[in-house]
Amino acid sequence: AQKITQTQPGMFVQEKEAVTLDCTYDTSDPSYGLFWYKQPSSGEMIFLIYQGSYDQQNATEGRYSLNFQKARKSANLVISASQLGDSAMYFCAMRVNKLTFGTGTQLKVEL
Amino acid sequence: DGGITQSPKYLFRKEGQNVTLSCEQNLNHDAMYWYRQDPGQGLRLIYYSQIVNDFQKGDIAEGYSVSREKKESFPLTVTSAQKNPTAFYLCASSTPRTGRDSPLHFGNGTRLTVT
Repeated sequence: AQKITQTQPGMFVQEKEAVTLDCTYDTSDPSYGLFWYKQPSSGEMIFLIYQGSYDQQNATEGRYSLNFQKARKSANLVISASQLGDSAMYFCAMRVNKLTFGTGTQLKVEL
Repeated sequence: DGGITQSPKYLFRKEGQNVTLSCEQNLNHDAMYWYRQDPGQGLRLIYYSQIVNDFQKGDIAEGYSVSREKKESFPLTVTSAQKNPTAFYLCASSTPRTGRDSPLHFGNGTRLTVT
């Protein structure tokens, strides 16, 4: 069975600071994909970044990077230089045969 | 522009009535999905379809039904058997069918309220 755990229900960060959102996962399948999505208050789900289980390097997409530690089964999202528009709910997800989501972390960026 | 259209954005129904949520995509994606989101929770998979005329139950399929007669369309019916139907419903699609690296593209969701 697949499981995704996000232990931080809410986080605050000051504008222009970096923030790390935690995600751990559990699967017995050696091949899987890890994703992060952003959900603003309007409700749509926005794909941010992807990491494959066999990828050697951490994924990066602009201000987003994924800190992938396979032995620890963690896939933390790092947002650099936070902006007010980054305030949203963030979901970690894992895909083996279907996409399974964590419970999310509500991020608030403050001035 | 290609995308996923869910309609309507808000839907209100009386208890005991079936209601159908629409999901249309013009991305030429093979796979389509329905998720349910409750306040403070993540998304839970209701049904998914990897090809036309075929679909599988997700984690919380009871009280729901789907059809996949066309590649572009994957409507979800919330039946009166669903005990707690009030929720935010998200439709998604992806390609290739089983690609672990293909992200899901989501619609904007339908917020269903049943009273």
